Amino acid sequence: GDSVTQMEGPVTLSEEAFLTINCTYTATGYPSLFWYVQYPGEGLQLLLKATKADDKGSNKGFEATYRKETTSFHLEKGSVQVSDSAVYFCALSARNTGNQFYFGTGTSLTVIP
Amino acid sequence: DGGITQSPKYLFRKEGQNVTLSCEQNLNHDAMYWYRQDPGQGLRLIYYSQIVNDFQKGDIAEGYSVSREKKESFPLTVTSAQKNPTAFYLCATSSIVGDTQYFGPGTRLTVL
Repeated sequence: GDSVTQMEGPVTLSEEAFLTINCTYTATGYPSLFWYVQYPGEGLQLLLKATKADDKGSNKGFEATYRKETTSFHLEKGSVQVSDSAVYFCALSARNTGNQFYFGTGTSLTVIP
Repeated sequence: DGGITQSPKYLFRKEGQNVTLSCEQNLNHDAMYWYRQDPGQGLRLIYYSQIVNDFQKGDIAEGYSVSREKKESFPLTVTSAQKNPTAFYLCATSSIVGDTQYFGPGTRLTVL
């Protein structure tokens, strides 16, 4: 069935370091892909999305490119800030499975000054 | 002010009691969802509704019930049959099933 696999955390980086959080997916159709962010004690916020192959989603300095050939949607940011400390979730929505959302298990990021 | 509201933010109940969590939206979205999140875990789907007066079980529906009498509201009842109800509960909406989901702030339920 459809699924999403994220790199396990926790991830700890120094401020201004480069961030990559890996996400790969399994889907029989052509899913839409999403990254959400969750700050402590809060709900999830949509960070970015891509709906077809080669699309690049971007927001607040974060980027992710929908790679069909490698079934990946890795999240990147060139220079992280302390305020980026949160849990990041990769997700997919696939029309051929009734449009269900599948979430990864989340990757915790801590940025230290 | 548009958005999704969940109340209360924190809820405490004694074991064996039913409790209802509120989710209200003014985004005019047709689809609504309930997820459960345990510490350090991902999200698990409890129930979802595509339209008023219709709802479907998710992966972990046992011990939970829902209703969808109005488009704006999708309350979740955690019954005494739910063996481990202590968790963080998240409500989400989307314009239609499969479209981008938007989340409320969550309710943290603690059963004593």
